[in-house]
Amino acid sequence: AQTVTQSQPEMSVQEAETVTLSCTYDTSENNYYLFWYKQPPSRQMILVIRQEAYKQQNATENRFSVNFQKAAKSFSLKISDSQLGDTAMYFCAFSYNQGGKLIFGQGTELSVKP
Amino acid sequence: ETGVTQTPRHLVMGMTNKKSLKCEQHLGHNAMYWYKQSAKKPLELMFVYNFKEQTENNSVPSRFSPECPNSSHLFLHLHTLQPEDSALYLCASSQDWQIPYEQYFGPGTRLTVT
Repeated sequence: AQTVTQSQPEMSVQEAETVTLSCTYDTSENNYYLFWYKQPPSRQMILVIRQEAYKQQNATENRFSVNFQKAAKSFSLKISDSQLGDTAMYFCAFSYNQGGKLIFGQGTELSVKP
Repeated sequence: ETGVTQTPRHLVMGMTNKKSLKCEQHLGHNAMYWYKQSAKKPLELMFVYNFKEQTENNSVPSRFSPECPNSSHLFLHLHTLQPEDSALYLCASSQDWQIPYEQYFGPGTRLTVT
């Protein structure tokens, strides 16, 4: 069975600083996809970044980047130059080619402080 | 309207009531999903529909009854719910159910069962 674990229930960071959110997963699949989703207090979940397991290069999207360590089954999210609008719940999620099923971690609540 | 919309945004119902949640996507997607989000727990996939056909029922109790009349609309009919069913119910859509494309989420319906 696939599982996703986020070991940091809450984190905080000062505005303009860098923060890293951790995620580990367990799977026997070789080809899969990993995602970070953001859920701001308004509750609309949006995709932050996506990584295909067969790609060795880490995905980046503007201030957001991942550190994907396939052998260690680790998928952390780095947010650079944190902004107040980054305050949200962040979910790590896993999927493989079966029904588009997303398996989510428990989430990390990030607070960006001015 | 753009993206994925859900109505109502908030719902309070007694255990003997019957109510329905509505989801509509304006993205031309083929797959739609219902998730349950409870406090301190990962998102739980409930149902998956692809081209109006149910492709997954994640062992959901029969007091939750989904309906998908077309690829743009998804309903969740509720009857004789329990207090533990109180949660945020999220609808999502994606281009195709078999390939893990990005899922687009609605704002959710906050359900309280009294």
